[in-house]
Amino acid sequence: GENVEQHPSTLSVQEGDSAVIKCTYSDSASNYFPWYKQELGKRPQLIIDIRSNVGEKKDQRIAVTLNKTAKHFSLHITETQPEDSAVYFCAATPYNTDKLIFGTGTRLQVFP
Amino acid sequence: GAGVSQSPSNKVTEKGKDVELRCDPISGHTALYWYRQSLGQGLEFLIYFQGNSAPDKSGLPSDRFSAERTGGSVSTLTIQRTQQEDSAVYLCASQMAGGTYEQYFGPGTRLTVT
Repeated sequence: GENVEQHPSTLSVQEGDSAVIKCTYSDSASNYFPWYKQELGKRPQLIIDIRSNVGEKKDQRIAVTLNKTAKHFSLHITETQPEDSAVYFCAATPYNTDKLIFGTGTRLQVFP
Repeated sequence: GAGVSQSPSNKVTEKGKDVELRCDPISGHTALYWYRQSLGQGLEFLIYFQGNSAPDKSGLPSDRFSAERTGGSVSTLTIQRTQQEDSAVYLCASQMAGGTYEQYFGPGTRLTVT
């Protein structure tokens, strides 16, 4: 079955710097890759997603890139702000199932 | 519109007791998931309902855990003979259909087993 690995587990950056979180997946047929943000004490919420027919997608300060050959995808946050501090989860949907497989999460801290 | 709701928001129970956690998904969403999140940890998949298909129970940690979804809407997660290691936040999520649609999470139920 699909396995999603996420790195790093924790990441600390200075406000204004960029942050990058990387995930790898095992099932080459996976076709959908969302990212969820979970602020402390709150529920996870979708922030951006990408499908397997696209290599990159951007939404303001957030971008996701997908390398299907290497089976990895990354979340890029530019000009980080303290409100970006949260746990970020990547996920993948294998082609032959409907189920999202989540990574283990990255705790991002942005220091002012 | 109304989002996913869960009840109760907090539940404290004694070891050995049974508990029922409820999830009300967004109306019209055919897919429903249950996850468990221990303090500071990731999202542990428990069970997945999709329409009228047989549920995917592959994530249930033991036979003390069960879930049902009545009428394709409300779902109940039942934990029998609770243990201290069951203490966690139980999150429910619903999805318009399976796969490539956004999952909308509920606020969770914080379960504490004493």
